[in-house]
Amino acid sequence: DQQVKQNSPSLSVQEGRISILNCDYTNSMFDYFLWYKKYPAEGPTFLISISSIKDKNEDGRFTVFLNKSAKHLSLHIVPSQPGDSAVYFCAATNAGGTSYGKLTFGQGTILTVHP
Amino acid sequence: GAGVSQSPSNKVTEKGKDVELRCDPISGHTALYWYRQSLGQGLEFLIYFQGNSAPDKSGLPSDRFSAERTGGSVSTLTIQRTQQEDSAVYLCASSFDRGLGNTIYFGEGSWLTVV
Repeated sequence: DQQVKQNSPSLSVQEGRISILNCDYTNSMFDYFLWYKKYPAEGPTFLISISSIKDKNEDGRFTVFLNKSAKHLSLHIVPSQPGDSAVYFCAATNAGGTSYGKLTFGQGTILTVHP
Repeated sequence: GAGVSQSPSNKVTEKGKDVELRCDPISGHTALYWYRQSLGQGLEFLIYFQGNSAPDKSGLPSDRFSAERTGGSVSTLTIQRTQQEDSAVYLCASSFDRGLGNTIYFGEGSWLTVV
């Protein structure tokens, strides 16, 4: 029962172009969503988050969009840089519940940005 | 230390042996989490400690898995009678509190290989 899905295992983008990473979820109790970035042999690093009361959150080159009716969110990276090459995980939680830190993660998408 | 510290970073053990994995959260963080990532999979929630509250153990895959957190700081994840399917990266994370917006910081993980 995969409640958070990242259907694209990998994405290849040219430097300077936009990277769009997608994530779908099934659990309607999820109300807070996060994106993490992971380099090999390192722990995941928090990137950006969004609450279900919003449909967009922007932080520098990173923007997360949330479409609640479609149970879909996406991470846009503009412009993409070679240093952005990593595995990106989408995660979701029920922030209003008692286990905020109980994140449900997708399988990850490997982003490769070519110079 | 400045970040979440985990030890050992790598562990190879024989099937049937017990292993202990240690986590030192960021100083002052009251919430501590254990996740694991098996090969090709997303991160899977295992257990969550928040202050003096009873831990959320709902993610532990079997009764061979247990965890404790002494003095509200250091945590140990114990796997008894290890099986080959226990091979994974075990990630510890911590946050200042469990409230919305509190960033969850991950350690680099303990790579466990059961042979």
